[in-house]
Amino acid sequence: EAAVTQSPRNKVTVTGGNVTLSCRQTNSHNYMYWYRQDTGHGLRLIHYSYGAGNLQIGDVPDGYKATRTTQEDFFLLLELASPSQTSLYFCASSPPDGSNERLFFGHGTKLSVL
Amino acid sequence: GDQVEQSPSALSLHEGTGSALRCNFTTTMRAVQWFRKNSRGSLINLFYLASGTKENGRLKSAFDSKERYSTLHIRDAQLEDSGTYFCAAHQGGRALIFGTGTTVSVSP
Repeated sequence: EAAVTQSPRNKVTVTGGNVTLSCRQTNSHNYMYWYRQDTGHGLRLIHYSYGAGNLQIGDVPDGYKATRTTQEDFFLLLELASPSQTSLYFCASSPPDGSNERLFFGHGTKLSVL
Repeated sequence: GDQVEQSPSALSLHEGTGSALRCNFTTTMRAVQWFRKNSRGSLINLFYLASGTKENGRLKSAFDSKERYSTLHIRDAQLEDSGTYFCAAHQGGRALIFGTGTTVSVSP
C-alpha cells in the first residue's frame, strides 16, 4: 500500500519562527510535492522534486525553501514564518511522468503562525 | 480502510465522447472538491460542492452526501481534457481526504 507520511500533524509557531515540515514516502516514487490548501484557493503547489538533490519551483514558492535529501524524504522549510503561511500543508508523491500520473497524498500538516 | 474510493483509476476516451468519474465515501462528507493535475503537478480546482450539481463548460459534477458519492462527467471530450483528476472530500473540520486519482487520456 502506497504510503506518504507527514510530520508533525499539527504545528503552532510565532511570527519569525523557524519551521520544518517533513514528508516521507515509501512508494519508491521519483516525484514529491508540497502543496498548501487554503479556503477559496484549492491546493496550490509550493515546491516539487523529481529526485534526491533536485528542487523545482512551484506556483507559490515565496517564503518557502525545500530540500529533497533522499528518494524518500522531502522537507519544507519556513525560516521566517509569517501569519500568511497559516495553512494546511499536503505532501504527495507520484511515479515518473509517463508511467502513472496518480498522486498519493499524506494526511496533511496544520500550521498556525501566531 | 480508505474513506474515499475513486474509480476508474484510468480512462481512455476518443474525442467527442464522454464518460464519468466517481468517488464513493465510506462516511458522510460535508463537501467535495474536484481537481485536475497539470503536467507540472499544479492542481486546478474544478468544482467545490456542498450539495447538488454544478456545471462548467463540458464538465458537470454532482454530490450526494446522503448516498455518499460524487461524480464528475466529461462530455464531448477534447485532447486538452487529458490529465489526472482527483476528488477530495471535506469531513467537517478535518483535512481533505483525497481519492487516488483517475488518469484520463483523450485520443483523436
